[in-house]
Amino acid sequence: SQQGEEDPQALSIQEGENATMNCSYKTSINNLQWYRQNSGRGLVHLILIRSNEREKHSGRLRVTLDTSKKSSSLLITASRAADTASYFCATDARGSNYKLTFGKGTLLTVNP
Amino acid sequence: DTAVSQTPKYLVTQMGNDKSIKCEQNLGHDTMYWYKQDSKKFLKIMFSYNNKELIINETVPNRFSPKSPDKAHLNLHINSLELGDSAVYFCASSQVATGTTEAFFGQGTRLTVV
Repeated sequence: SQQGEEDPQALSIQEGENATMNCSYKTSINNLQWYRQNSGRGLVHLILIRSNEREKHSGRLRVTLDTSKKSSSLLITASRAADTASYFCATDARGSNYKLTFGKGTLLTVNP
Repeated sequence: DTAVSQTPKYLVTQMGNDKSIKCEQNLGHDTMYWYKQDSKKFLKIMFSYNNKELIINETVPNRFSPKSPDKAHLNLHINSLELGDSAVYFCASSQVATGTTEAFFGQGTRLTVV
């Protein structure tokens, strides 16, 4: 069964605003990752947060993880038009043989 | 230099044909994957090889047969193509021996079965 579910499915904001995307999952995990996919391209890894971490930063990205609620959020601050893409969370469940299970993604549109 | 490269980028073929997609990674990773992304952008794992050994084989029709001649290559052969096979297929790799599943993806192969 699908592990990750992103929310919202689509998000449209103005340049300079912050964008927050959420992800929920179902089973115990080793880590949770976020990926970006530009239209017609492959996925690009953004950030990984381990199950024993609660928050992680990378540039304009901030990821939180709440294992008690089985949820994560990705915050992109000061968004730019170039951030327009689909964002996916992916979980690596314990005992899954390194299988990454992806959510359905959030389509983020940043309007100039 | 492209880290994970797959060919072809586009593939249009008729129902019933057999086709192959090739993937190569130059990252020295020990694990390679095939994912299928459908028209709703849902990404689902199909196969995974670790050091040339098959370790993940999801519920995929027998018409799909992966082959890993060495750690740097993972090809996907599809027999008797059906309309429902139309999708974008992504190859990816990671170095799980270091304890991470961070994956590097190829650009995808858009398969259209007509």
